Amino acid sequence: DIQMTQSPSSVSASVGDRVTITCRASQAISTWLAWYQQKPGKAPKLLIFAASNLQTGVPSRFSGSGSGTDFTLTISSLQPDDFATYYCQQTNTFPRTFGQGTKLE
Amino acid sequence: QVQLQESGPGLVKPSETLSLTCTVSGGSFSNYYWSWIRLPPGKGLEWIGHIYTSGITNYNPSLKSRVTISLDTSKNQFSLRLTSVTAADTAVYYCARQGSNGRSFDYWGQGTLLTVSS
Repeated sequence: DIQMTQSPSSVSASVGDRVTITCRASQAISTWLAWYQQKPGKAPKLLIFAASNLQTGVPSRFSGSGSGTDFTLTISSLQPDDFATYYCQQTNTFPRTFGQGTKLE
Repeated sequence: QVQLQESGPGLVKPSETLSLTCTVSGGSFSNYYWSWIRLPPGKGLEWIGHIYTSGITNYNPSLKSRVTISLDTSKNQFSLRLTSVTAADTAVYYCARQGSNGRSFDYWGQGTLLTVSS
């Protein structure tokens, strides 16, 4: 299985801050990577697909980059609605695997 | 707007079989991969497996010996069956659609909590 490692596991930030979350794959996955946002009691929401493509309806303050094994999710100016847990997921091979999550608080 | 809704018992006894169903509405059911994903308490997301609308399945090897995913295209439903459950199977179970955008999961159900306890 491809292991996905996110860092940090939690981050404290304030409204207006720029926040970056990293995700590292245990083997190269090209750009087959997605990012999700999850709030307590809710289903995950797709933010970014294919490493850098913004899902329809997602605010432009979210951006993704990377290829191969190293990826980043950046929130350019943190808004109150952005406090949540973020997961990366590789979509390159089976079984699909997720990072352990990064809690933004 | 595509909507997915999980349904199931909520509580299952150890060693018994878990059965969940996902009903899809508001969009096409055909030509997509339909997945089950779970979130154990205090842990991260785990992909359980998926089924294509042709009936082809793919399971996570960690659960493969206990999992069956099936579908009923006449009802726009797909189902999860997990045998010999233990407390480690306690989780929120989600159904999700794998879209064409980078093979990501673009629509999710709200999730259903499944507790394994005697």
